[in-house]
Amino acid sequence: DGGITQSPKYLFRKEGQNVTLSCEQNLNHDAMYWYRQDPGQGLRLIYYSQIVNDFQKGDIAEGYSVSREKKESFPLTVTSAQKNPTAFYLCASSTWSPLRGEQYFGPGTRLTVT
Amino acid sequence: GQQLNQSPQSMFIQEGEDVSMNCTSSSIFNTWLWYKQEPGEGPVLLIALYKAGELTSNGRLTAQFGITRKDSFLNISASIPSDVGIYFCAGQLPGTASKLTFGTGTRLQVTL
Repeated sequence: DGGITQSPKYLFRKEGQNVTLSCEQNLNHDAMYWYRQDPGQGLRLIYYSQIVNDFQKGDIAEGYSVSREKKESFPLTVTSAQKNPTAFYLCASSTWSPLRGEQYFGPGTRLTVT
Repeated sequence: GQQLNQSPQSMFIQEGEDVSMNCTSSSIFNTWLWYKQEPGEGPVLLIALYKAGELTSNGRLTAQFGITRKDSFLNISASIPSDVGIYFCAGQLPGTASKLTFGTGTRLQVTL
């Protein structure tokens, strides 16, 4: 089955700790994305990557870091510098195309920091 | 970053009713997409639109790409309880490849 997996589904951390969220895809997509969703809100782009070993900041990159060492994987680290890290985090992937914009999403990771 | 204006914010309807929601922007988009998100899950793509004026159906769902390329509409006919969720529009701006701009969502509740 082709798709995007995110793990874990729920994550709890103490304030001041870094935490890494996993995202893997087997859709052979070039591009991958991380979004943050707060209750009752839309999706805000954190980082995206068009190809391996390259990534760009989105609208709310401060306090986050990413890597893209493999096409299939795009982990997101929420650092202690992120002032309000509790949120629902969504990973997505797509082909990189000016003509077809469809992104496909994983099931999400709910991060709670106390 | 820019967000799309999506309305209504929420809808409470009875099973069997038709639903209509829309997304507007001051910018022109190349692509319009409609997603549905259920609680605690990732959004699922429902319909993709690529040309101004295009009308596309997916079962009871019908979406249209506005002729001005600045808006899109989603209609759901004969709603059923499993239609409950949040519906998001998303648009692809020219020159942004596969980056998307998302609407704020329409929360749909269906009562029996």
